[in-house]
Amino acid sequence: DGGITQSPKYLFRKEGQNVTLSCEQNLNHDAMYWYRQDPGQGLRLIYYSQIVNDFQKGDIAEGYSVSREKKESFPLTVTSAQKNPTAFYLCASSIDSVRALANYGYTFGSGTRLTVV
Amino acid sequence: GESVGLHLPTLSVQEGDNSIINCAYSNSASDYFIWYKQESGKGPQFIIDIRSNMDKRQGQRVTVLLNKTVKHLSLQIAATQPGDSAVYFCAENIAPGGSYIPTFGRGTSLIVHP
Repeated sequence: DGGITQSPKYLFRKEGQNVTLSCEQNLNHDAMYWYRQDPGQGLRLIYYSQIVNDFQKGDIAEGYSVSREKKESFPLTVTSAQKNPTAFYLCASSIDSVRALANYGYTFGSGTRLTVV
Repeated sequence: GESVGLHLPTLSVQEGDNSIINCAYSNSASDYFIWYKQESGKGPQFIIDIRSNMDKRQGQRVTVLLNKTVKHLSLQIAATQPGDSAVYFCAENIAPGGSYIPTFGRGTSLIVHP
């Protein structure tokens, strides 16, 4: 079955440490997204990528970095510059970003819960 | 109703009742809307979508209503079941530069009592 896989499910980070969250999809989707979710809050966009080797900052990109070397993969690195990284991180993908197509459905992964220790 | 701080708006219903979850969206240029269901510790799941050229769309036990005049969206769940307990998000699609990037609301927590 096609889908999005995020790993690990739980991740612990020490102060000053960089960590990388994995996101892989086999849906052949062009676009991929990273969101951060805090308790009682909506999803906030960190980074998104519409196509391989291209990505754009979202609303809260500071302290994060991404890469999109392969269509299937969009890893997110939480750097030491992110002062409050404890949150639930969600990766999503969509078929494309072209206005003319009918289906703009988004598929989400199951999330990674990151905690600073 | 509205809540402040870290608490989501909450709707409590009895099993078998109909539920109505509301959402106000922000951008009058948004032309595509989606409702998602998120169970605890999981990613959001697609429920139903609607385009701005429609004002109502029905799925299995769910109906979405769109009022563009007041920028309001609602999700109606018929004969609510305990398995419907979750947080429900609406998302609006805004298209900067021709790319569709969804913007999500805070969500409403639905609690179904058996």
